[in-house]
Amino acid sequence: DSGVTQTPKHLITATGQRVTLRCSPRSGDLSVYWYQQSLDQGLQFLIQYYNGEERAKGNILERFSAQQFPDLHSELNLSSLELGDSALYFCASSLRGGAYQETQYFGPGTRLLVL
Amino acid sequence: AQTVTQSQPEMSVQEAETVTLSCTYDTSESNYYLFWYKQPPSRQMILVIRQEAYKQQNATENRFSVNFQKAAKSFSLKISDSQLGDTAMYFCAFSGGSNYKLTFGKGTLLTVNP
Repeated sequence: DSGVTQTPKHLITATGQRVTLRCSPRSGDLSVYWYQQSLDQGLQFLIQYYNGEERAKGNILERFSAQQFPDLHSELNLSSLELGDSALYFCASSLRGGAYQETQYFGPGTRLLVL
Repeated sequence: AQTVTQSQPEMSVQEAETVTLSCTYDTSESNYYLFWYKQPPSRQMILVIRQEAYKQQNATENRFSVNFQKAAKSFSLKISDSQLGDTAMYFCAFSGGSNYKLTFGKGTLLTVNP
């Protein structure tokens, strides 16, 4: 158990809908990262937050957004869902997130299926 | 931009034997870290081992060790005394410079046979 929690574990929804994925980092970690794992794209970095502020952006679609709250949990919002958004979404956390050498610890993931 | 390449989509090994998974990377950064993550059927991403680029000594963690060849930009994972529980997808990952994100390879599916 990495100490990172994600809810829900599974999510099934329809095209055009909006969903929210939630992540709680390990105790003491200030930085949260979101990754998407799909069959065709592999593991892709989406976005990073550090202590409530956006720090880095990757291949995140405009239909997707995220935020990190004062208690450091983070939410990833996916809207106008398409079939291609079906994937496993991981949250990871690290202590500070300001250095490449920090190890990122992954949550169990949320499996999203868009029908 | 950094790239990570795992050229072996699938590998298999007999229980108790040794297997080596390959990984090459490309970067212009001088300071970076390399990681191997394991993803078993449960889909959880588990850190196996990490290597600092400035360290010449290869990292080891119990049955897992790496062969880090900085000049060749190669970072292979050796698993000794393979166990059935080692069956998983293994991902090589890079983190370096001002990029705090992890860049992953496409993974190698390792099957340990009894």
